Amino acid sequence: DAGVIQSPRHEVTEMGQEVTLRCKPISGHNSLFWYRQTMMRGLELLIYFNNNVPIDDSGMPEDRFSAKMPNASFSTLKIQPSEPRDSAVYFCASSSLGDTDTQYFGPGTRLTVL
Amino acid sequence: AQSVTQPDIHITVSEGASLELRCNYSYGATPYLFWYVQSPGQGLQLLLKYFSGDTLVQGIKGFEAEFKRSQSSFNLRKPSVHWSDAAEYFCAVGAGGGADGLTFGKGTHLIIQP
Repeated sequence: DAGVIQSPRHEVTEMGQEVTLRCKPISGHNSLFWYRQTMMRGLELLIYFNNNVPIDDSGMPEDRFSAKMPNASFSTLKIQPSEPRDSAVYFCASSSLGDTDTQYFGPGTRLTVL
Repeated sequence: AQSVTQPDIHITVSEGASLELRCNYSYGATPYLFWYVQSPGQGLQLLLKYFSGDTLVQGIKGFEAEFKRSQSSFNLRKPSVHWSDAAEYFCAVGAGGGADGLTFGKGTHLIIQP
């Protein structure tokens, strides 16, 4: 079974540009999480969805960030406009609301904003 | 609010020696506790988890962890480390297992000396 799939793996963009990160959760999982990892702040939860519905977006840093989950197999995290301080590794994770309750992480997208 | 403290930023051990990585958590109810490992440029892989029951839990790759409620700790151990164990280790706490976002510690970087 394929794990969590994220694309692109690396993104380099210039300040002010729109950036869209994509995530495909593990088939059958009904919870999806977006995390950001930086040297200064470590791993932070940005937002998570249960059954495609956003449950908690209190970790989203500002209005420039938005996330959607139009269906059970796809989610996007968008930054518009991007700033250099958004440079980080963005991870997507998914889990099943069941016995395991374990989050499985994707390989991450390394974003560099120049 | 929940929090996780990993007091050791870096730890160096010799190959074959025993290992203990410390983790202290702050949470108002019974916590769901996790240890993840991250190799350079990779996503996070679950080593083990504690939800309830036996306070000594076994994980993959020969790792184990002990939940001590009185000390609010969940330390990770391995009796004999291998060079391939060199990585970043993260302790995390959650409210409802996979159904809620995780709060991570800042991580401990493990270096293995030959």
